[in-house]
Amino acid sequence: RKEVEQDPGPFNVPEGATVAFNCTYSNSASQSFFWYRQDCRKEPKLLMSVYSSGNEDGRFTAQLNRASQYISLLIRDSKLSDSATYLCVVIPFSGGYNKLIFGAGTRLAVHP
Amino acid sequence: NAGVTQTPKFQVLKTGQSMTLQCAQDMNHNSMYWYRQDPGMGLRLIYYSASEGTTDKGEVPNGYNVSRLNKREFSLRLESAAPSQTSVYFCASRTGGSYEQYFGPGTRLTVT
Repeated sequence: RKEVEQDPGPFNVPEGATVAFNCTYSNSASQSFFWYRQDCRKEPKLLMSVYSSGNEDGRFTAQLNRASQYISLLIRDSKLSDSATYLCVVIPFSGGYNKLIFGAGTRLAVHP
Repeated sequence: NAGVTQTPKFQVLKTGQSMTLQCAQDMNHNSMYWYRQDPGMGLRLIYYSASEGTTDKGEVPNGYNVSRLNKREFSLRLESAAPSQTSVYFCASRTGGSYEQYFGPGTRLTVT
């Protein structure tokens, strides 16, 4: 079983739609969680951290469920510019910030 | 401020050839990383350097060597390239006390 699993998609949604992605992780001792965004043929960039209490950044909301070992990303009012691959990232208990574990990504395509 | 730069952007090698991928950052970051990204898989850590003068193996170090030349530069060497090393290679850096990694634009390597 992979340490971090994501539905690869693609999720095809119209502009203005709300879309949610989930990511599951296998190590219950995992410490920290993030969402990165990767545009086609570009480098990954940090989108947001995921806190236990949940956090929001504009149209983006991230949540963590430790009991079920998953994190989620909700995008409201989707824009064409949101089209990208969203990578779930977990920091395991050991290794600290030097050993990030990346999911394979969920692809989002927003159409007019 | 260029951030993280990588050279070359593209490379085609024949099996058995060697090459060095170059990475440099101008953000005065202590830690640097090399990842590979393959279709359907998350980014996987090859080697990292937590600080100038140190290097450590990541998840997939076999077939690679690294050199932390100075605080700015971290190179990845393939001594005898194999088709299984066909991938996109990303370099990243991080400052101490922060979890965010900044990625370079990547090198697309094909080994025939």
